[in-house]
Amino acid sequence: GAVVSQHPSWVICKSGTSVKIECRSLDFQATTMFWYRQFPKQSLMLMATSNEGSKATYEQGVEKDKFLINHASLTLSTLTVTSAHPEDSSFYICSARGGGQANYGYTFGSGTRLTVV
Amino acid sequence: DAKTTQPTSMDCAEGRAANLPCNHSTISGNEYVYWYRQIHSQGPQYIIHGLKNNETNEMASLIITEDRKSSTLILPHATLRDTAVYYCIVRDQGGKLIFGQGTELSVKP
Repeated sequence: GAVVSQHPSWVICKSGTSVKIECRSLDFQATTMFWYRQFPKQSLMLMATSNEGSKATYEQGVEKDKFLINHASLTLSTLTVTSAHPEDSSFYICSARGGGQANYGYTFGSGTRLTVV
Repeated sequence: DAKTTQPTSMDCAEGRAANLPCNHSTISGNEYVYWYRQIHSQGPQYIIHGLKNNETNEMASLIITEDRKSSTLILPHATLRDTAVYYCIVRDQGGKLIFGQGTELSVKP
């Protein structure tokens, strides 16, 4: 149980275009989802927290107009990287938290490798 | 900021126990300690979590000191597949998991 599916697993896009990443909880309802970014050889950095039906809360230094987060249902959150630039190339990982999970929440997706060329 | 400190790297011989320490001296009374690991280019995998008491599951054991200022994750019989970065995390009051730098564990044959 407690599976989070993240799609796509990798994407290459041209500079200036937008990319959408999906995060789905497959067998539980995710009241809260978290989005992280990870650069090579570094740890995960929390970008934002989203609760179903409300606006996301962004961490300090994360541009909310560039990283659009939508959490429209209890099983789906999306992260859209708008007007992507090469410096946005990174590994993006979502995490979902919901009731009834054996580990008291926090199941992670498998990540999305974004390369902006 | 992460509320934990861990050694940057550790080695362990295959088949031996791997003991990974973590300091969390500023932990407050109702904050849980979580352990995750990340194998290269994958999402973090849950290992175990605890509040005060020692915990054990099929993957590992978690030993938390009485003052709760530190803990140790024990992998009883490390295998090559346990090579990963191990993160010790104190869940913050807002329910967020803030990752520190973790310990890169290398299990060697």
